Amino acid sequence: EVVLTQSPGTLSLSPGEKATLSCRASQSVSRTYLTWYQHKPGQPPRLLIYGASTRATGIPDRFAGSGSGTDFALTISRLEPEDFAVYYCQQHDNSALTFGGGTRVEI
Amino acid sequence: QVQLVESGGGLVKPGGSLSLSCAASGFTFRDYYMSWIRQTPGKGLEWVSYISATGSHTNYADSVKGRFTISRDNVKNSLSLEMHNLGAEDTATYYCAKVGILYSLDVWGKGIAVAVSA
Repeated sequence: EVVLTQSPGTLSLSPGEKATLSCRASQSVSRTYLTWYQHKPGQPPRLLIYGASTRATGIPDRFAGSGSGTDFALTISRLEPEDFAVYYCQQHDNSALTFGGGTRVEI
Repeated sequence: QVQLVESGGGLVKPGGSLSLSCAASGFTFRDYYMSWIRQTPGKGLEWVSYISATGSHTNYADSVKGRFTISRDNVKNSLSLEMHNLGAEDTATYYCAKVGILYSLDVWGKGIAVAVSA
């Protein structure tokens, strides 16, 4: 089973700053099936990025996904107040989905 | 618009059973895989199960295998999760989600709370 480890656990930043979130897999995963979500309290998760780097419909271009193999990243170029949330990576392989533990981006 | 609405949650005693439902609208339900995901209090997201578009293929997380059963009704546009032998570790908010492109979860319900306690 693939384990996804996200780091850091918490990222403390200010609006306007750049955020870089890491997602490391315990073994190589297909970038095709690497996905990122944003999750705010009291709301369902929101799809941000699929296929490691393709933004979902309506996602602003300040969100960018990258990486391959075992190392993936989500970059938020300039944090807006509404971007403060928890971010999860997720992968699919062998008929199962797995999520990383999440990174909280806080002010 | 595209919508998923969960129902059936609540409080159940350890060892008990509960059934969750998810009503889908705004898209051609029978064309898509569907999934259940949960979030335990204070923790992250955990994938629970998914089911193919026709219902012929299902898969489960090891933590629920043998206790949970996912099913769907493509006439009623509904997804279900039968949960048995529940334990405290199953206490969570359960989300129903549509499986979209490249196994991304592109539509989510608002979630339903399940609490397992004596």
